[in-house]
Amino acid sequence: GAGVSQSPSNKVTEKGKDVELRCDPISGHTALYWYRQSLGQGLEFLIYFQGNSAPDKSGLPSDRFSAERTGGSVSTLTIQRTQQEDSAVYLCASRAAVGYTFGSGTRLTVV
Amino acid sequence: SQQGEEDPQALSIQEGENATMNCSYKTSINNLQWYRQNSGRGLVHLILIRSNEREKHSGRLRVTLDTSKKSSSLLITASRAADTASYFCATDGTGANNLFFGTGTRLTVIP
Repeated sequence: GAGVSQSPSNKVTEKGKDVELRCDPISGHTALYWYRQSLGQGLEFLIYFQGNSAPDKSGLPSDRFSAERTGGSVSTLTIQRTQQEDSAVYLCASRAAVGYTFGSGTRLTVV
Repeated sequence: SQQGEEDPQALSIQEGENATMNCSYKTSINNLQWYRQNSGRGLVHLILIRSNEREKHSGRLRVTLDTSKKSSSLLITASRAADTASYFCATDGTGANNLFFGTGTRLTVIP
């Protein structure tokens, strides 16, 4: 596609429920990143995929968070047993050489 | 933390004036990038400066980098109301898989 596509744009969920966030990167971009941005804050790195290599999961805040990337393209970030502190905008980015291209993000609200 | 710090946190100027934002970081870097974010959603890549460069221009943007002080500045000349946004610096550290983002500067340009 022309840009990085994320869905849903907004998600409201009840505490304790699981959510799945989707990212469709730019075709041909081998690197894919997930970041989290809490209200008024900078971006917090979550996870990085590069080609067929094992992902860098060093930024995932707890074992409730997981992500996968199927076929080197679409990625899904899953948050299990959501907590109110998980409320944030989740941003996905893909990269070919230098310079990241970000999606518009998913605003997650846990009530 | 490898995250950068930016100042000021917020800046309000009149249209036509110049806006200067500063970024400091902690680790050695391959490059430093500046991004713009509107309305708390997707980020747009503005400009990249490599560690062996000291100054770079792109349109009304001028970026400087001082690796001895681990700092960078972004100058927007002849500001416009449409420049109102949050601006983030991000460092691509040596040996790192991802960008580390600063806390951002919220710029308001008053028409």
